[in-house]
Amino acid sequence: TQLLEQSPQFLSIQEGENLTVYCNSSSVFSSLQWYRQEPGEGPVLLVTVVTGGEVKKLKRLTFQFGDARKDSSLHITAAQPGDTGLYLCAGDNTGTASKLTFGTGTRLQVTL
Amino acid sequence: NAGVTQTPKFQVLKTGQSMTLQCAQDMNHNSMYWYRQDPGMGLRLIYYSASEGTTDKGEVPNGYNVSRLNKREFSLRLESAAPSQTSVYFCASSEAGQSSYEQYFGPGTRLTVT
Repeated sequence: TQLLEQSPQFLSIQEGENLTVYCNSSSVFSSLQWYRQEPGEGPVLLVTVVTGGEVKKLKRLTFQFGDARKDSSLHITAAQPGDTGLYLCAGDNTGTASKLTFGTGTRLQVTL
Repeated sequence: NAGVTQTPKFQVLKTGQSMTLQCAQDMNHNSMYWYRQDPGMGLRLIYYSASEGTTDKGEVPNGYNVSRLNKREFSLRLESAAPSQTSVYFCASSEAGQSSYEQYFGPGTRLTVT
């Protein structure tokens, strides 16, 4: 079983702070996705990265795929309460997305 | 568009009882998935169906069966529920095979087995 370890597991910060969430594996993935999940709902896709070293920005969120395609990071600048949720990374090594391996999750709480 | 729908939203079972979780998608996706989510363990794949008429085991298939009834519907059955199957179950669908695929998730079914 391929494992994707996320750190930290929990993060509680105040509005305006910056944070970084990490997603690490010993396996190589052809692509990696980040999802956000709010309480009582299913995960929703934020971004897909497919090239080693790739950086994608989504407003205040910056995603990076490691050069070796084994790890990824999510950086949030000036966090807002609306960023609160469970962040999940998910790796695909089939090239066809037939099976995703999900990370253990990082629960983020942003307070005023 | 309803996207992915799941029924029921909540269920309490006694050990040994059986039940079927229903999932339907209206996006004409070929692939459908069943996951379970437990605290600190992310999402774990139970079964998936790459296309109508096919099903394959995921990471944690023991104690479950699935049926891909047609392109829209994918059900998950617990034949004899156990307390270890207490979890939140998510169904998802995707148009796998494309370079920018996305899995679309339903709202989940919260199952408690006593």
